[in-house]
Amino acid sequence: DTAVSQTPKYLVTQMGNDKSIKCEQNLGHDTMYWYKQDSKKFLKIMFSYNNKELIINETVPNRFSPKSPDKAHLNLHINSLELGDSAVYFCASSQGQALHRFGPGTRLTVT
Amino acid sequence: GESVGLHLPTLSVQEGDNSIINCAYSNSASDYFIWYKQESGKGPQFIIDIRSNMDKRQGQRVTVLLNKTVKHLSLQIAATQPGDSAVYFCAELSGGYQKVTFGTGTKLQVIP
Repeated sequence: DTAVSQTPKYLVTQMGNDKSIKCEQNLGHDTMYWYKQDSKKFLKIMFSYNNKELIINETVPNRFSPKSPDKAHLNLHINSLELGDSAVYFCASSQGQALHRFGPGTRLTVT
Repeated sequence: GESVGLHLPTLSVQEGDNSIINCAYSNSASDYFIWYKQESGKGPQFIIDIRSNMDKRQGQRVTVLLNKTVKHLSLQIAATQPGDSAVYFCAELSGGYQKVTFGTGTKLQVIP
């Protein structure tokens, strides 16, 4: 019973393409997040949604658009992909005291 | 704190020895701290947490120490095992716990 799941696990695409990453949590948490982890393993928050409402947007280019159809899902759509977007993207969720549960990650490679 | 483009610090420890991983946090208003473990190819996993009204908390084989005066956090792992090999992150939380900032991470290598 996977708590936080992401699809796909790997994504290889060319510059300029548009792609989406999906995230689902079955924990009943009311807050979901997207993080980006670069090649040096640095983890940086991108977005946070609470009950489908955006509460944190950390100076992410507007090519990145999160969408939360319900509080169990937070998808990440990326337009006009660039080489610098290559990274591992983690979805996470939390309830109450912000103990994050992370998904397995999606490794995005832009060529 | 923010990454400044440094390489990932690495700590090599002999199996059975104790490990100490350090973290300097940036926001004096942070009042909740978490240590995460990230194994290769996986997402970070919770290890232990501590609130700012405490200076020490113990779990199974792990202890977290908090020094608010110098904004320093440490994770001690007793009797380190090969399965402890991973990247360890500290995280500081503030702003009603909605704002989470991760440290740069430390890679722990356990030598059998």
